[in-house]
Amino acid sequence: DAGITQSPRHKVTETGTPVTLRCHQTENHRYMYWYRQDPGHGLRLIHYSYGVKDTDKGEVSDGYSVSRSKTEDFLLTLESATSSQTSVYFCAISSGGTKYFGPGTRLTVT
Amino acid sequence: QKEVEQNSGPLSVPEGAIASLNCTYSDRGSQSFFWYRQYSGKSPELIMSIYSNGDKEDGRFTAQLNKASQYVSLLIRDSQPSDSATYLCAVISDSNYQLIWGAGTKLIIKP
Repeated sequence: DAGITQSPRHKVTETGTPVTLRCHQTENHRYMYWYRQDPGHGLRLIHYSYGVKDTDKGEVSDGYSVSRSKTEDFLLTLESATSSQTSVYFCAISSGGTKYFGPGTRLTVT
Repeated sequence: QKEVEQNSGPLSVPEGAIASLNCTYSDRGSQSFFWYRQYSGKSPELIMSIYSNGDKEDGRFTAQLNKASQYVSLLIRDSQPSDSATYLCAVISDSNYQLIWGAGTKLIIKP
């Protein structure tokens, strides 16, 4: 499982509230990613990081921010959650050109 | 917009038969292609990668690349019920080197 954990694994929140999802890795990988997965869509990249404090936007970054203050932690924040952000969120690391995924967080915004 | 297209399925195949999954991509410059398997409620896991230098076989799995027609195939021989999953195709974009994902094909192996 490449030593990736995500927390929380499930969350229900109300529209307009802030939400932070955490990804933690134990193997010192440089690259970390946040994806969302929705029915009928492929995995879509939200943000990624190529080192501590080095992040960049993906294809669906609006409404999301990220932070990486330590190599092992990559945080995804929804500043003001909307129903369109109901999704399954996967964190991933890159090792040798291969993506390895965390177990996912199922987020429901009501 | 670079795209990767897959038939959503479900594709139903009898146990022991060959399952054939296909994926088309729009970025003609792409040279790296991946097949991931995702069981229901789980995260994707890599099963095969293939590059522009040819086909690849790994056990019961074979990945084939047709660059002229811009599609990638995954063949699963001697299909088992444990192969029932959604198979995701992913392609590295030649412009920004990020993975572009198809929406996946759901495969059902019937005993």
